[in-house]
Amino acid sequence: AQSVTQLGSHVSVSEGALVLLRCNYSSSVPPYLFWYVQYPNQGLQLLLKYTSAATLVKGINGFEAEFKKSETSFHLTKPSAHMSDAAEYFCAVSGSYNQGGKLIFGQGTELSVKP
Amino acid sequence: DTEVTQTPKHLVMGMTNKKSLKCEQHMGHRAMYWYKQKAKKPPELMFVYSYEKLSINESVPSRFSPECPNSSLLNLHLHALQPEDSALYLCASSQEVRTNEKLFFGSGTQLSVL
Repeated sequence: AQSVTQLGSHVSVSEGALVLLRCNYSSSVPPYLFWYVQYPNQGLQLLLKYTSAATLVKGINGFEAEFKKSETSFHLTKPSAHMSDAAEYFCAVSGSYNQGGKLIFGQGTELSVKP
Repeated sequence: DTEVTQTPKHLVMGMTNKKSLKCEQHMGHRAMYWYKQKAKKPPELMFVYSYEKLSINESVPSRFSPECPNSSLLNLHLHALQPEDSALYLCASSQEVRTNEKLFFGSGTQLSVL
């Protein structure tokens, strides 16, 4: 069965510092992996997705993530944090083929950015 | 238009009330979803519709009744809810029901059951 684990429910960085949000996955088949962001009182917005085309995936707002099969990881990074990056971030993996459309989310990581 | 529109944004209802949540998209997507999200928790899938037919029901109690009247609209009918059903209800859509699809989410309906 597919699952994801996000390490750290809360991460705090200073403005301009590196952002690193950790995600490890478990999947019985080659996974499709996603990072979504949720701003307060909003729905979720896709930051980026991994679909096996390239291991380094670039997304919106300067975020990127690297798929590492040997470590079963898909960590999200951004070189320089901005105040507007403060939000909840969810890593997700697709359900198996017969569960098309089902996303299995991690518990989320709240990112705070200090001025 | 890349929006998923949900109405109402906020809803307060008693346990004996009947209400409906509405979701609309005009992106030509043929897959639509209902998710439930409790505070400080990830979204949990409730239902998936593919080409207006229910394809996934995640063992949701019958007091939640989904309806997909056409490819642009998705409703969630609520009846005899419990206080623990209070949550943010998110609608989403995608081109198709596929494992690598990007989901577009609405802003949600914040439901309080008294």
